[in-house]
Amino acid sequence: KQEVTQIPAALSVPEGENLVLNCSFTDSAIYNLQWFRQDPGKGLTSLLLIQSSQREQTSGRLNASLDKSSGRSTLYIAASQPGDSATYLCAVRDWGNTPLVFGKGTRLSVIA
Amino acid sequence: ETGVTQTPRHLVMGMTNKKSLKCEQHLGHNAMYWYKQSAKKPLELMFVYNFKEQTENNSVPSRFSPECPNSSHLFLHLHTLQPEDSALYLCASSQDPAGDYGYTFGSGTRLTVV
Repeated sequence: KQEVTQIPAALSVPEGENLVLNCSFTDSAIYNLQWFRQDPGKGLTSLLLIQSSQREQTSGRLNASLDKSSGRSTLYIAASQPGDSATYLCAVRDWGNTPLVFGKGTRLSVIA
Repeated sequence: ETGVTQTPRHLVMGMTNKKSLKCEQHLGHNAMYWYKQSAKKPLELMFVYNFKEQTENNSVPSRFSPECPNSSHLFLHLHTLQPEDSALYLCASSQDPAGDYGYTFGSGTRLTVV
């Protein structure tokens, strides 16, 4: 059974710092991996989707990498801003008609 | 707005009430999902609908009853809920059942059972 772990559970950084959020999964035979952002009490906003054949995806200040063999993905945020404060969720989908499996998220606070 | 709209945004209901949550998408997606998000737990998949047909019921109690009248609308009918059912209920959709192009989520309904 696929399990997704995100470390750390919470992170507080000063504005302007570059940071890395980690996601690990137990079964490396994934179909794709998606990073989401969730603001308090709100729904999820999709940030980046990485297919199993890809190594990374970039969008603005965000870069997500995927290493299937080691069962890891990282979300790199450059030059962090207070507006980046949110919970970041990692979710994987396995091969076959299987649903997304989510981690518990990393709660990020960027201090001005 | 993501293209997936959920109503109401907030709902408070007693344990004997009957209420319904609504989800609507006009993205042309063919699969729709209900998720439950409780404090300090990962999102839990509840139901999956592909082309209006329910393809997954993730051992959800019968006090939750989904309905998908067409590929654009999804409902979650609630009756005789328990306080532990209080949570954020999220609807999502994907273009295809395989999720090749990722998933789009709504803003959720915050449910409080008193």
